[in-house]
Amino acid sequence: DQQVKQNSPSLSVQEGRISILNCDYTNSMFDYFLWYKKYPAEGPTFLISISSIKDKNEDGRFTVFLNKSAKHLSLHIVPSQPGDSAVYFCAASAGGGSNYKLTFGKGTLLTVNP
Amino acid sequence: DAGVTQSPTHLIKTRGQHVTLRCSPISGHKSVSWYQQVLGQGPQFIFQYYEKEERGRGNFPDRFSARQFPNYSSELNVNALLLGDSALYLCASSLAGHGYTFGSGTRLTVV
Repeated sequence: DQQVKQNSPSLSVQEGRISILNCDYTNSMFDYFLWYKKYPAEGPTFLISISSIKDKNEDGRFTVFLNKSAKHLSLHIVPSQPGDSAVYFCAASAGGGSNYKLTFGKGTLLTVNP
Repeated sequence: DAGVTQSPTHLIKTRGQHVTLRCSPISGHKSVSWYQQVLGQGPQFIFQYYEKEERGRGNFPDRFSARQFPNYSSELNVNALLLGDSALYLCASSLAGHGYTFGSGTRLTVV
């Protein structure tokens, strides 16, 4: 039973355009959501997070939107750069904030073409 | 500053053998967690330790065990290895309220 779902295994965008990565969850107890980026041969690197009391969080080129009623979140990257090419994981936790057990999706491979 | 360090980086073991993976957290981080990432999947939670006590355990068999030492480093042990245990094992450390920092992982191949 997959509680965090990333239904798009891959996404390809042109440099300078917007990248939108989507994530759905089923567990109503999740109250904190994170996005991680992973390059080959490296561990996941934290990008941005959002608490369930908010619907938007922005950090530079990265914005995360949360729609609690739809149990859906998305990561927007504007403008996309070739260096953003990586696997992006959506993760969620319940009751423990950002440093408790994380449940991850399967990831979306983003390719930004020059 | 050193990040989370894991050793070894790669390992090949035979079915039925035992393996020990090691993790050194970022200095000052008292919490260490272990995740398993199978090819094509996201990381899956195995254990979390805080101040040398187990704080959480994922849905893994008893062949998996871990411990945390007084210096906050940690070991993950897996007994009676199966082919399905082949994966990237990630260690993450955290400072309360500031989220995880992951190491680069140990790639375990069971043949």
